[in-house]
Amino acid sequence: ETGVTQTPRHLVMGMTNKKSLKCEQHLGHNAMYWYKQSAKKPLELMFVYNFKEQTENNSVPSRFSPECPNSSHLFLHLHTLQPEDSALYLCASSHNDGTELFFGSGTQLSVL
Amino acid sequence: SQQGEEDPQALSIQEGENATMNCSYKTSINNLQWYRQNSGRGLVHLILIRSNEREKHSGRLRVTLDTSKKSSSLLITASRAADTASYFCAPVGGTSYGKLTFGQGTILTVHP
Repeated sequence: ETGVTQTPRHLVMGMTNKKSLKCEQHLGHNAMYWYKQSAKKPLELMFVYNFKEQTENNSVPSRFSPECPNSSHLFLHLHTLQPEDSALYLCASSHNDGTELFFGSGTQLSVL
Repeated sequence: SQQGEEDPQALSIQEGENATMNCSYKTSINNLQWYRQNSGRGLVHLILIRSNEREKHSGRLRVTLDTSKKSSSLLITASRAADTASYFCAPVGGTSYGKLTFGQGTILTVHP
């Protein structure tokens, strides 16, 4: 148990659905991250938040919409996804210097 | 941001043998981190080595860093079946500070 909790663990959705992924940490960290891990591809950094402010958007399509209401919670809102968006979505947190990332167990997303 | 390149892509050994994985990177760093990922789960931080360190130990793990060659190695001694996982390095410095990126990793399989 890393102290970073992601829900749901698995999600199947149609291309017209709207769903949200949730990430929560109570480690006192100020930075939170979303990563995407597709089969046979390196982890892709999607978004970075520091003290609730977005500091990195790695050219992510607008069908992915992050939200960080406070330093402990991070959401990824999904709408009109494509089958190629099927992947493992990982949340992580750290102190703002990024010296050690703590990852959640991920949400395995399948888009039909 | 810079990412490391792990080598080999896959490594298969018997229990009790040592496993060595290498990482190369391109630009100067402040530190380099190693992570491990069990299949379908989040990454777990193993060890961090700073740019002014040459070697670091943690249990059965030994990490070396050669900044002149821009390379690092991770040695796992007396491997166990439970060490079966993917291993990633993350060089940190300059524009990658606070936003770790990862390569394809080395897939280690330890046979009982």
